[in-house]
Amino acid sequence: DVKVTQSSRYLVKRTGEKVFLECVQDMDHENMFWYRQDPGLGLRLIYFSYDVKMKEKGDIPEGYSVSREKKERFSLILESASTNQTSMYLCASSDPHMGSGNTIYFGEGSWLTVV
Amino acid sequence: DAKTTQPPSMDCAEGRAANLPCNHSTISGNEYVYWYRQIHSQGPQYIIHGLKNNETNEMASLIITEDRKSSTLILPHATLRDTAVYYCIVRVDESSGSARQLTFGSGTQLTVLP
Repeated sequence: DVKVTQSSRYLVKRTGEKVFLECVQDMDHENMFWYRQDPGLGLRLIYFSYDVKMKEKGDIPEGYSVSREKKERFSLILESASTNQTSMYLCASSDPHMGSGNTIYFGEGSWLTVV
Repeated sequence: DAKTTQPPSMDCAEGRAANLPCNHSTISGNEYVYWYRQIHSQGPQYIIHGLKNNETNEMASLIITEDRKSSTLILPHATLRDTAVYYCIVRVDESSGSARQLTFGSGTQLTVLP
């Protein structure tokens, strides 16, 4: 089974703090993604990466950066956390070469509260 | 990606089959039908997907109509742990660029009753 592991399930941070959200996948997937999920707004793509050291902006990249130094690890960084970044953050991965479907697998989610 | 329509909620008795419908009347020929579910406070869990043939795995069956305009997810013997929001999604099978089009609608809240 594919396993996408997010390092922290629940975090509380102060406004202005730098926040790191870590994600590791164990299936050698090329693609990795960071989303946030908010009530009424659904799932929104922040950044994705299709290879080591490669990244592309999603729909809402402002206030975020990412790092992919190794294939299995994709980190989301909030340079200076703000209260409007309080949300559930979801990491996901997929393998475009797996054949039909290119299924995306999600981690358990990280609940971030910025106070 | 094509839009999907699902009923907002459904109940099912424990041990019975749960049949969750989804309409996707504007689906294109190269779009797959995906089903995910999300249990409260957890990340979405992949269930099954298909293009035009019916599919079955250890979790569920997916029945896609011949015209592909609708589909049904079947959980053959629902348990209390199947209580979740179920999302039907249609998306093109592309490379990494398709990630931004993973749009979850409102889904169906399935409640399995004891």
